[in-house]
Amino acid sequence: QKEVEQDPGPLSVPEGAIVSLNCTYSNSAFQYFMWYRQYSRKGPELLMYTYSSGNKEDGRFTAQVDKSSKYISLFIRDSQPSDSATYLCAMSVRGTQGGSEKLVFGKGTKLTVNP
Amino acid sequence: DSGVTQTPKHLITATGQRVTLRCSPRSGDLSVYWYQQSLDQGLQFLIHYYNGEERAKGNILERFSAQQFPDLHSELNLSSLELGDSALYFCASSRTLGGETQYFGPGTRLLVL
Repeated sequence: QKEVEQDPGPLSVPEGAIVSLNCTYSNSAFQYFMWYRQYSRKGPELLMYTYSSGNKEDGRFTAQVDKSSKYISLFIRDSQPSDSATYLCAMSVRGTQGGSEKLVFGKGTKLTVNP
Repeated sequence: DSGVTQTPKHLITATGQRVTLRCSPRSGDLSVYWYQQSLDQGLQFLIHYYNGEERAKGNILERFSAQQFPDLHSELNLSSLELGDSALYFCASSRTLGGETQYFGPGTRLLVL
């Protein structure tokens, strides 16, 4: 079983829809959970990161972490064509000296928002 | 623009050769991370440097090595190149040691023929 699983999609939605992107993980040691957006031929761009279980909101984006189910989600409200990109989840464990002891990315979900 | 620069943008080379990829982090960032991204493997963490010291290793092959210099720029050296090394190589920088907030560069596209 892979440590981080992410449905590659593709996911196609109409403009204005609510989008739900998800990742599951198997390693209960993961402490930090991140979401990145990657446009074609560009570097990933950090959208949000969170440490604890629960919800974190930033504008149209909400990140949700359920550590008991080992499941994280990213919700995009009022989706726009400019949201069309690949979304990557990432998870990390801090080592005893403070650095990331383990850092794993999901393979990404390709999202298209149609006008 | 993330503020992270990578050179070169594109690199075409032959099997068995050695190449060096360069990364300049954002001003003030002490951490540099290197990643390899291919279609089948996704984004794979290779190695992390913080203020000149290696702090963590991921799925980095023995043929690959990296270092971070006193001015905080970093280089990733890839040697004895194989066809399967063709990929996008990204570096990312962060102000902190933890790596939760990383800013990625535009990447170097490597093609090994």
